[in-house]
Amino acid sequence: EIVLTQSPGTLSLSPGERATLSCRASQSVSSSYLAWYQQRPGQAPTRLVIYGASSRATGIPDRFSGSGSGTDFTLTISRLEPEDFAVYYCQQYGSSLPITFGQGTRLEIK
Amino acid sequence: QVQLVESGGGVVQPGRSLRLSCAASGFTFSTYAMHWVRQAPGQGLEWVALISSDGSSKYYADADSVKGRFTISRDNSKNTLYLQMNSLRAGDTAVYYCARDRFGSGWSYFDYWGQGTLVTVSS
Repeated sequence: EIVLTQSPGTLSLSPGERATLSCRASQSVSSSYLAWYQQRPGQAPTRLVIYGASSRATGIPDRFSGSGSGTDFTLTISRLEPEDFAVYYCQQYGSSLPITFGQGTRLEIK
Repeated sequence: QVQLVESGGGVVQPGRSLRLSCAASGFTFSTYAMHWVRQAPGQGLEWVALISSDGSSKYYADADSVKGRFTISRDNSKNTLYLQMNSLRAGDTAVYYCARDRFGSGWSYFDYWGQGTLVTVSS
C-alpha cells in the first residue's frame, strides 16, 4: 500500500498570498497518477482540483497548479481567494489497489 | 448536471446491517465505474470499494477494514449504486460518499462526489 504524507498539517495564510502544499508518497506513484481534492467544511461535495499530477479539473481557476512526479508532489495556489480556504487531500490511483489518500492539509485564514 | 445523492445512513447497533444507496443523474450511469469512500468524524478520506461500469468487477479495501463485511453493487436500470454493510462496528462510523470514477473499467481519479450520508454505529 502506498502511504501518502501531506505537509504541513495546517497552513495559515492571508488572502492574496501564495500557498504551497506538499504530498510525499512512500513509493513511486506510477505515471503520476496523483490527484488533489478540495473539501470545504460543511459544504459538500468534495471537488476534484488536479488530476494526473498537473492537469486542472473542469472549472478550476488557473491560480491552482500541480507539479511533481515519483514520490514528491505539490499543489500551489498562486493568490489565495477567500473561497480557497479549505482542506486539501492528495490521492494516488496508481496501478495497484488500494487507492489511498493523504491525511489532508487544512488551509486556514491567518 | 451530474448529481450523486446518497441515502440510507442512520444510527445502527454494533453487529447489525445497513444498506446505503447512491442515486445518480445527469450522466450515463452505466458507462462509469463507481466508488464508495468514507470519512470518520474529524478524520481524512478512506477508499472503501470500487465497482466497474457493468458490475462485473468489484474491489475492496484490504484487511479487516471492510473486506468480507461490505458488498458493493449497482443497478444500471435504476441508475443506483449500493453498499451493503454487515457486522457493523464502531469503527465503521463515518460519512459515506459515493464518487464517480473518470472511466468505466479499472480505476482512476474521482471527478464527482456526492454529499455523503452519515452512518453511526452505537449501542
